[in-house]
Amino acid sequence: DGGITQSPKYLFRKEGQNVTLSCEQNLNHDAMYWYRQDPGQGLRLIYYSQIVNDFQKGDIAEGYSVSREKKESFPLTVTSAQKNPTAFYLCASSSQRGPDTQYFGPGTRLTVL
Amino acid sequence: RKEVEQDPGPFNVPEGATVAFNCTYSNSASQSFFWYRQDCRKEPKLLMSVYSSGNEDGRFTAQLNRASQYISLLIRDSKLSDSATYLCVVNRAGKLIFGQGTTLQVKP
Repeated sequence: DGGITQSPKYLFRKEGQNVTLSCEQNLNHDAMYWYRQDPGQGLRLIYYSQIVNDFQKGDIAEGYSVSREKKESFPLTVTSAQKNPTAFYLCASSSQRGPDTQYFGPGTRLTVL
Repeated sequence: RKEVEQDPGPFNVPEGATVAFNCTYSNSASQSFFWYRQDCRKEPKLLMSVYSSGNEDGRFTAQLNRASQYISLLIRDSKLSDSATYLCVVNRAGKLIFGQGTTLQVKP
């Protein structure tokens, strides 16, 4: 089945540790995005990538890093510099023909203890 | 002030009721508009795009007023399965800007 996968669904880490969240898509989409969602808030854009080997900062990039070495994959690293990392992280992708329509993965709930 | 504002609710309505959600956006350069649906602890999914002429998809009707920078979603004949959070979304310079969402609870 075509779609976006994120793993793991739940992730627990100790404060001060870096952690990498996985996002893979087999929709052949060029663009990929990372958002975070906090309770009672809308999604906020962390990073996005329109094409392989290129990415741009979103509105809240501090404390995060990404890579886009393959079209299918857009991993997000939450570094120890991120002050409030506990959140619901959502990955999305869109095609060139329909950039407005983003398809989301099931998300990863990260809890930093 | 948030760029996209919604009343968070919750809106509690009985089955069969008609309910309307509103959303305002502050940036007049916003280019396109959408409603996404998000079930509890799940990912958002596109419900419908919103056009200036208004558009309908079954029991759902969306309206856009560019002059007032206002978007609405009307749900007729509410079903239990409509219970979810509805996110108002605008595209500004190629980026999607999400409202915080309006929660709907449909009761039997």
